[in-house]
Amino acid sequence: EPEVTQTPSHQVTQMGQEVILRCVPISNHLYFYWYRQILGQKVEFLVSFYNNEISEKSEIFDDQFSVERPDGSNFTLKIRSTKLEDSAMYFCASSYWYEQYFGPGTRLTVT
Amino acid sequence: SQQGEEDPQALSIQEGENATMNCSYKTSINNLQWYRQNSGRGLVHLILIRSNEREKHSGRLRVTLDTSKKSSSLLITASRAADTASYFCATVPTGANSKLTFGKGITLSVRP
Repeated sequence: EPEVTQTPSHQVTQMGQEVILRCVPISNHLYFYWYRQILGQKVEFLVSFYNNEISEKSEIFDDQFSVERPDGSNFTLKIRSTKLEDSAMYFCASSYWYEQYFGPGTRLTVT
Repeated sequence: SQQGEEDPQALSIQEGENATMNCSYKTSINNLQWYRQNSGRGLVHLILIRSNEREKHSGRLRVTLDTSKKSSSLLITASRAADTASYFCATVPTGANSKLTFGKGITLSVRP
């Protein structure tokens, strides 16, 4: 069964550094998302992407964040200058319509 | 406003028993979805119910939706130890671009 994959599974970075989290969505899906889950808290929506542009973003998704679909298969989340509070599990998801399929997540630790 | 608030926060049952989990939300929705998350892992989509549906079944799962009360319930019948996980309801508000708003989740423990 097709699934969403994410790399790396765990990323440790120093405050102020740039990180890129990568996702390969399910191939025939049209909508792509990033969510994050800070330890012990709710899963929070960050951004949705459709037809090569951002369709919706949350207040969390400020100028430090950007998304890209560089080659028709990968979907990336870049954080330009990481802060301690960016430490979280980041989930990529994709959907053809409403049912979203999530990847296993990337645990980002900012030290 | 907060969407998708589940209760109870934690539930412990014996294998073979049924587990019922509830979710309430505040705004009108297009659909409501239930997800499962095993410890430290990704979210697994379980079932979606549209705002014009009242009940839906999938295997041992039964979901109901009461839009007048803005609530949903997830019933897992004949529970197994492998059902031990966190369960989340997530809503897609009416008019939204399918962004999911999650609740805090329910921790289900099924004792063998």
